[in-house]
Amino acid sequence: GENVGLHLPTLSVQEGDNSIINCAYSNSASDYFIWYKQESGKGPQFIIDIRSNMDKRQGQRVTVLLNKTVKHLSLQIAATQPGDSAVYFCAEILYNQGGKLIFGQGTELSVKP
Amino acid sequence: SQTIHQWPATLVQPVGSPLSLECTVEGTSNPNLYWYRQAAGRGLQLLFYSVGIGQISSEVPQNLSASRPQDRQFILSSKKLLLSDSGFYLCAWSAGSAGYGYTFGSGTRLTVV
Repeated sequence: GENVGLHLPTLSVQEGDNSIINCAYSNSASDYFIWYKQESGKGPQFIIDIRSNMDKRQGQRVTVLLNKTVKHLSLQIAATQPGDSAVYFCAEILYNQGGKLIFGQGTELSVKP
Repeated sequence: SQTIHQWPATLVQPVGSPLSLECTVEGTSNPNLYWYRQAAGRGLQLLFYSVGIGQISSEVPQNLSASRPQDRQFILSSKKLLLSDSGFYLCAWSAGSAGYGYTFGSGTRLTVV
């Protein structure tokens, strides 16, 4: 469900390290999940997506893992760079509710040079 | 290619004044359209979504309303703004049939004073 009233948790990593950002979702009927990156003052940008019939998907420097048993998503960023500093949101599409995109809480990633 | 336009980028309005934010999509037909609001340091909250002309679904009770007078135009309005209406407003669209591939506009920063 939505956690829009909570302050964002933060994750601080050293440049070059790997980052892992976690997200819990609530709707077991969700079929499709997306990770977004949002830089200050801008709209969210698509990073990577995954369907519920998969447990892992890889992109360029990013990997998304899905554990449907515990309703958990994670985003792994390899060799984190200063340009990766942003807020990261997971989102689920609720097809049983007209295909609405519902965002999770979000995590602020800060990369130290 | 599809593009989404949202304006204005920033807006400062006095309490009690009306509001009209506009969002238009180009390069597609019959998109699903969405309005989200994001308070500072918070997640994105779905306000309204529309699956067709004149079809508006409201997600949360509030001081705002939405309209879709044309297939690719989505308008967010208020008759009298409240201080609590301040925030970052984002319009988004997705393919009408499947809901995949949400794309966000650049957002409007609204400050009610």
